[in-house]
Amino acid sequence: AQSVAQPEDQVNVAEGNPLTVKCTYSVSGNPYLFWYVQYPNRGLQFLLKYITGDNLVKGSYGFEAEFNKSQTSFHLKKPSALVSDSALYFCAVRGFYGNNRLAFGKGNQVVVIP
Amino acid sequence: KAGVTQTPRYLIKTRGQQVTLSCSPISGHRSVSWYQQTPGQGLQFLFEYFSETQRNKGNFPGRFSGRQFSNSRSEMNVSTLELGDSALYLCASSLTAAWEQYFGPGTRLTVT
Repeated sequence: AQSVAQPEDQVNVAEGNPLTVKCTYSVSGNPYLFWYVQYPNRGLQFLLKYITGDNLVKGSYGFEAEFNKSQTSFHLKKPSALVSDSALYFCAVRGFYGNNRLAFGKGNQVVVIP
Repeated sequence: KAGVTQTPRYLIKTRGQQVTLSCSPISGHRSVSWYQQTPGQGLQFLFEYFSETQRNKGNFPGRFSGRQFSNSRSEMNVSTLELGDSALYLCASSLTAAWEQYFGPGTRLTVT
């Protein structure tokens, strides 16, 4: 079954510095990969996805993610973090075959320090 | 286009009761998924429906059930509520199973 690992519980970054949230995945066959963000007392908001094509994917609010097949990673990045980026970030993977339900990681709390 | 709506937003129930939660997907979306979110377990998949058929089911007891109607609206039901069922229940819709999911604001269920 597909799974996602987000190794860090919390990521602290100073405002204006680059932000990276790590994600590795396990799935049979080619993956569909997604990043979501959740603000307090809200549902998840879609940020970006990788289905096929360029390994660097650009999404909403200046976020981008790099797909690395050999390392089975899909790290989320933002060149310059804002205080408003403080939220809970989820990586998710879906397999192309078989039981292709969406599997989420445990989430990373991002804290951007002014 | 209106987003995913969930009703009610907040619910307080007593142990042993049952509850029904409702989800209206984005217009045109035929796939609806349900998740349970708790601080300890994170996001856990409950089930997924596509065109009124359950395509996938998570590892939850039979007390948790769902259905999807012909207009793609979905309901989930939890019978014989337990304290551990207290959680944020999220519904998400997508065009098809392979596309990104769009989430509703959730229903906060508290079981006392």
